Amino acid sequence: DAKTTQPTSMDCAEGRAANLPCNHSTISGNEYVYWYRQIHSQGPQYIIHGLKNNETNEMASLIITEDRKSSTLILPHATLRDTAVYYCIVRPFVAGGSQGNLIFGKGTKLSVKP
Amino acid sequence: DVKVTQSSRYLVKRTGEKVFLECVQDMDHENMFWYRQDPGLGLRLIYFSYDVKMKEKGDIPEGYSVSREKKERFSLILESASTNQTSMYLCASRQGGSNQPQHFGDGTRLSIL
Repeated sequence: DAKTTQPTSMDCAEGRAANLPCNHSTISGNEYVYWYRQIHSQGPQYIIHGLKNNETNEMASLIITEDRKSSTLILPHATLRDTAVYYCIVRPFVAGGSQGNLIFGKGTKLSVKP
Repeated sequence: DVKVTQSSRYLVKRTGEKVFLECVQDMDHENMFWYRQDPGLGLRLIYFSYDVKMKEKGDIPEGYSVSREKKERFSLILESASTNQTSMYLCASRQGGSNQPQHFGDGTRLSIL
């Protein structure tokens, strides 16, 4: 079962910041938080990941609370093409890399509106 | 940029046929994965491979096999296709021994008639 809780759906106005929350209250010390999104009929697209520090890349920012029990994905200027299902996933770092299965929950359906 | 390529976007086969789904990655990744995605069930892991000729069963390996003869290519085989294998199949790859993310292909939507 997924170890995260996300709202089922959210709306955002085009050009505004989209803030997608994720609760992972049972996260362990060696577990990373990953964010993916899936646009209809395409494969999941990696967005960003982090352990405990906030992270930023060209797509988004990831804010992780100090206790690591929740995080927020921020799309700074949402466009219509950001409409997708967004998944928050926790996965442990596995030494040796022999495993690495991702367990996707139901995610948040983000609708960006003009 | 990361590139995972699946050979077909859409495929239609008949019950009992042997079906091959191909996946190629150009990132020299050690780990490769095959998932299927069904409405209401999310992504389920079928098989993964952590190196050439190495494989491990995932959560739902029954009715499937895999082949990894070269590092860049991971094939999923449906030995005798059945209608309950109609699904979206997703391939992913990941750099081994790290916290790096998996990167997915665009998927193959397979219909078994």
